[in-house]
Amino acid sequence: GQQLNQSPQSMFIQEGEDVSMNCTSSSIFNTWLWYKQDPGEGPVLLIALYKAGELTSNGRLTAQFGITRKDSFLNISASIPSDVGIYFCAGQEGGSEKLVFGKGTKLTVNP
Amino acid sequence: DAGVTQSPTHLIKTRGQHVTLRCSPISGHKSVSWYQQVLGQGPQFIFQYYEKEERGRGNFPDRFSARQFPNYSSELNVNALLLGDSALYLCASSLWEGAAEAFFGQGTRLTVV
Repeated sequence: GQQLNQSPQSMFIQEGEDVSMNCTSSSIFNTWLWYKQDPGEGPVLLIALYKAGELTSNGRLTAQFGITRKDSFLNISASIPSDVGIYFCAGQEGGSEKLVFGKGTKLTVNP
Repeated sequence: DAGVTQSPTHLIKTRGQHVTLRCSPISGHKSVSWYQQVLGQGPQFIFQYYEKEERGRGNFPDRFSARQFPNYSSELNVNALLLGDSALYLCASSLWEGAAEAFFGQGTRLTVV
């Protein structure tokens, strides 16, 4: 099935460091979403973006909707151990009800 | 408020059997979608239902079917199970049909042996 290109696949960082991950698509999306998934759980919505160029923050998380509408970025500042998990980007095309997901970025934070 | 609830949480079935998974959306949400997540991959869209009607279908065989009830809860049915159907099945609810913000349940882990 269709999936977005998400990078990096995994990251190993020290507590306190900042993190950046991104997602690209060959298709234009009207909405970009970022989710976090812990082992054995469902994805939890972190941030939703609705307009090209939009920059939105949720605590230490900041996400941007790319100008081309084909990419999005998520930054986590001052990482803490509970940031550990898998982060997924998801896009929604105009007129479509489905979300297309990336393969995820696995984040490990060393205390 | 309760989030999206799914049952059962874990299930083991034999090849060829049939399975029914259940989902209750967030109160007030009228749209339910189903996703399949294979280990190491992102969720893949299976179905969306809104007001009891199928509004979208992903690239899955006819062995997969679903329905939505008047109280907006939903069932996902899979017939003639294959080993490759082993996955985490996720239900997501949204306020309305085109709402992008989807809220997921904890999923049902299906293992086919």
